[in-house]
Amino acid sequence: NAGVTQTPKFQVLKTGQSMTLQCAQDMNHEYMSWYRQDPGMGLRLIHYSVGAGITDQGEVPNGYNVSRSTTEDFPLRLLSAAPSQTSVYFCASSFSGANVLTFGAGSRLTVL
Amino acid sequence: AQTVTQSQPEMSVQEAETVTLSCTYDTSESDYYLFWYKQPPSRQMILVIRQEAYKQQNATENRFSVNFQKAAKSFSLKISDSQLGDAAMYFCAYRSRDWAAGNKLTFGGGTRVLVKP
Repeated sequence: NAGVTQTPKFQVLKTGQSMTLQCAQDMNHEYMSWYRQDPGMGLRLIHYSVGAGITDQGEVPNGYNVSRSTTEDFPLRLLSAAPSQTSVYFCASSFSGANVLTFGAGSRLTVL
Repeated sequence: AQTVTQSQPEMSVQEAETVTLSCTYDTSESDYYLFWYKQPPSRQMILVIRQEAYKQQNATENRFSVNFQKAAKSFSLKISDSQLGDAAMYFCAYRSRDWAAGNKLTFGGGTRVLVKP
């Protein structure tokens, strides 16, 4: 099993550009989520989904959009990138009744 | 909202010695989960140990053990017989037992562990 796959691993953007971070899991997990990691602040929840067609905001949702059209995929969209969105992004998933998350390898995004 | 605080930005330990990482949290809930995650330079998030709040017994996983003090809202991690491979960032995390809230984690700011040979 591939687990949770994130692409790309590294990306450099200019301010105002748009992009999508991809997240796919092959474990049939109902729950998927996106976190960002900034120095000294741990990981903070951006958006999450408890199943296909259902998404909700986390702690820091501004500037990000998500959708969940399939169980496997949960893309994170930046419509107009800002330097404040420079961070490492993690996708994570789990079964709904489980309390252990499986994390992807992370995507490092730099916005100039 | 819950908060998780790790007051030690960095800890250094001699190989084969023991180090203890501190974590405190704030919550009004009575039932929840607590976790310690390890993040090596590869950036991968690795679950080290978890504790269910309704269980009084402290969790143990090989050389890793916790000291869970529910009344004090404290959840420290002890790494015994430290190895070079233990060098990493360690994050404490909280999860509500409210299943309707989804599997959302609240993380502390992390503690970097350095292991000296």
